[in-house]
Amino acid sequence: DIQMTQSPSTLSASVGDRVTITCRASQSISNWLAWYQQKPGKAPKLLIYKASTLQSGVPSRFSGSGSGTEFTLTISSLQPDDFATYYCQQYNTYWTFGQGTKVEIK
Amino acid sequence: EVQLVASGGDLVQVGGSLRLSCAASGFSLSSYWMHWVRQDVEKGLVWVSRISSDGGNTVYADSVRGRFTVSRDNAKNTLYLQMNNLRVEDTAVYYCARDLGGLGPTTFDFWGQGALVTVSS
Repeated sequence: DIQMTQSPSTLSASVGDRVTITCRASQSISNWLAWYQQKPGKAPKLLIYKASTLQSGVPSRFSGSGSGTEFTLTISSLQPDDFATYYCQQYNTYWTFGQGTKVEIK
Repeated sequence: EVQLVASGGDLVQVGGSLRLSCAASGFSLSSYWMHWVRQDVEKGLVWVSRISSDGGNTVYADSVRGRFTVSRDNAKNTLYLQMNNLRVEDTAVYYCARDLGGLGPTTFDFWGQGALVTVSS
């Protein structure tokens, strides 16, 4: 199984901050990586797929990069609506998720 | 508006059975492959099963293979997950999710609101 490891587990930030979350795969997954946002009591929402393709309707302050085993999600200027938990997911071989990164208010 | 509404979650004893349903609206279910994903506090998000658009191709995670069965009724725009021989470790919120589609590996572009399954010993 391909394991996905995110860092950090928790991130404290302020509105307007630039935020970066890292995701590492246990083996190469090319660019078959997605990022999701989840708020308490809600279903995950797709933000980015194929490592860097922004899903329709997602604000352009979200961006993704990387290939192979190392990937990043960047929020260029954190907004109040962005405080949530973020998950990476590989879909090169079946589907596995990272453990999540909680972005909380500093 | 795309909607996926999961139902059927309940409290059940170890060894019991449960069937989850996922009603789709705002799009034609018959055009999409579909998935079930579960989430619990310990293991986080875990993919459970996938079914092709016509129901002829199904895949399962090792942890549920032989106990869970995914199916669909495209005429009713509904996806199902039959869960048998339930274990405590199956306790989770179960989400149905729509496959993004397209060529090559794909992920999930829309998720339903989730159904809580609690398995008690």
